[in-house]
Amino acid sequence: AQTVTQSQPEMSVQEAETVTLSCTYDTSESDYYLFWYKQPPSRQMILVIRQEAYKQQNATENRFSVNFQKAAKSFSLKISDSQLGDAAMYFCAYPSGTYKYIFGTGTRLKVLA
Amino acid sequence: DTGVSQDPRHKITKRGQNVTFRCDPISEHNRLYWYRQTLGQGPEFLTYFQNEAQLEKSRLLSDRFSAERPKGSFSTLEIQRTEQGDSAMYLCASSGPGVGYNEQFFGPGTRLTVL
Repeated sequence: AQTVTQSQPEMSVQEAETVTLSCTYDTSESDYYLFWYKQPPSRQMILVIRQEAYKQQNATENRFSVNFQKAAKSFSLKISDSQLGDAAMYFCAYPSGTYKYIFGTGTRLKVLA
Repeated sequence: DTGVSQDPRHKITKRGQNVTFRCDPISEHNRLYWYRQTLGQGPEFLTYFQNEAQLEKSRLLSDRFSAERPKGSFSTLEIQRTEQGDSAMYLCASSGPGVGYNEQFFGPGTRLTVL
């Protein structure tokens, strides 16, 4: 079965520091996408970054980057120069079959001033 | 385009009542998804439409739940005879041909509270 696991229910980071959120997944597919979404309190879910499995280069979007290790089925999100606005729930998502997402349970990120 | 919209944003109902939620996807997106998210959890897939056809339903979608997407535009999700366990955030998402339909755009959700 395809699964997504986020083992860190909550993480804290000092403003301007770097934090890494972990995600592992299980699939038998060879070509797929992986996504990180951010869900601020009482606000809608927005895409942070995507990774295509056939690309060996890790995706980067400004302060956000991933460490994608296909063989290990690991897809971690690194947030550099953390800002107060980064505080949110972060979900790792894997599109399965008809592209329905399988989500992890989420990591709540707190940013300390 | 203003993105995916959902209405209402909040709904409080009494157990046993019927409720209906609406989702308006991004206009050029032909795929539409419904998810349910309970407190502290990730969203769980409920159902998926391609145009007006409902192609997949989760086993989470009991007989009390029905979804429609007439004419392949907006979608409605109806819950009949609501139960307290139905209390959750109901999220709608849509996707289009970009990124091979893989990237989904989410609405703000409808938070349902069943008393």
